[in-house]
Amino acid sequence: GESVGLHLPTLSVQEGDNSIINCAYSNSASDYFIWYKQESGKGPQFIIDIRSNMDKRQGQRVTVLLNKTVKHLSLQIAATQPGDSAVYFCAETGHTGNQFYFGTGTSLTVIP
Amino acid sequence: DAGVIQSPRHEVTEMGQEVTLRCKPISGHNSLFWYRQTMMRGLELLIYFNNNVPIDDSGMPEDRFSAKMPNASFSTLKIQPSEPRDSAVYFCASRGTGGRQPQHFGDGTRLSIL
Repeated sequence: GESVGLHLPTLSVQEGDNSIINCAYSNSASDYFIWYKQESGKGPQFIIDIRSNMDKRQGQRVTVLLNKTVKHLSLQIAATQPGDSAVYFCAETGHTGNQFYFGTGTSLTVIP
Repeated sequence: DAGVIQSPRHEVTEMGQEVTLRCKPISGHNSLFWYRQTMMRGLELLIYFNNNVPIDDSGMPEDRFSAKMPNASFSTLKIQPSEPRDSAVYFCASRGTGGRQPQHFGDGTRLSIL
């Protein structure tokens, strides 16, 4: 029979446009959040993190926004490039800070 | 700096065989995690170690799975006997000490059980 896998949200953007990838988390006690990028055939790669005492953090071409009120995290990528095409995961820590809980991921495709 | 190193990168074997996956964490990291990734279930935590001691193995699917960390620079994940449903990509990750730190992943072992 046909197998059913996880339905990954997908996002397609034109090269040079900005991308916004969203993530909802469930544990209000989580105090540390991370975005990972996973390219085909590779492991998840750390992009940027943010602690719960912050609302915004910027890196090189990337910005993470945290809204604790609605338990929402977003990753903004400026001037998206073909090399940004990948699956992006958000992760949160529970109250222990040891285990990370990963979302299902969003597949980003950059159209040249 | 060397990242997390996993071996082998690919493993194809017949069901019933023993499979051993290996991981070398980043030097100085004191936490090590084993994950499994499939299309059906996404990324699942199997087990993690702190200072070479297993802390939570609730994600290990069955007694056929076992993991060891004999020292700070080496860990193994063993499946015996292997079954086709064990086919997946297995990732190892390590994390440093002190406050909130990200996990750093290896490039995984793609396991196919025929």
